[in-house]
Amino acid sequence: GNSVTQMEGPVTLSEEAFLTINCTYTATGYPSLFWYVQYPGEGLQLLLKATKADDKGSNKGFEATYRKETTSFHLEKGSVQVSDSAVYFCALTDSWGKLQFGAGTQVVVTP
Amino acid sequence: DAGITQSPRHKVTETGTPVTLRCHQTENHRYMYWYRQDPGHGLRLIHYSYGVKDTDKGEVSDGYSVSRSKTEDFLLTLESATSSQTSVYFCAISESQRQIVYNEQFFGPGTRLTVL
Repeated sequence: GNSVTQMEGPVTLSEEAFLTINCTYTATGYPSLFWYVQYPGEGLQLLLKATKADDKGSNKGFEATYRKETTSFHLEKGSVQVSDSAVYFCALTDSWGKLQFGAGTQVVVTP
Repeated sequence: DAGITQSPRHKVTETGTPVTLRCHQTENHRYMYWYRQDPGHGLRLIHYSYGVKDTDKGEVSDGYSVSRSKTEDFLLTLESATSSQTSVYFCAISESQRQIVYNEQFFGPGTRLTVL
């Protein structure tokens, strides 16, 4: 079946540091890939998405590129802020359109 | 923000008691979902609905039932709560499932359920 694997956290960074969160997937067919973010005490929000190979999703300074050859969708941000502290989830859609999530990576940004 | 509310937001109950969680939307979206969130597992789909009175099981449906009698409401029931059902429960909605890449899922604020 489909699965999503992302790096374990917490990832602790200083403000203005470079952030990378690794995400790899296993899927049949051609899934669409997503990053969701969950701020403390809130539900999930879609951060960015990519629907086909080599697509780059971007939003709020975050980027991720759909790499079919390495089955990866790593999330990056060049300069994080304290307000980026959250839990980040990588996800894919199966052939029926249902979301499959990774375990989540907590990011803590310190001033 | 998408109009999704969940009630209650917090609940503590005892093993063996029935519990019903409510998700209410004001977006008139066709699809509604119930997930549970547990450390190390991300979010896992419990049940979903693709229309009034149309529901189907997700990945972790054992011990849960759902009902949808109106477009705006999706109820999740634990017939006899167990400690393994202690979790944070999220409701989500989407306009379309097949075209999910263009119609994202919007999540509610969550319900924290503790079963003692």
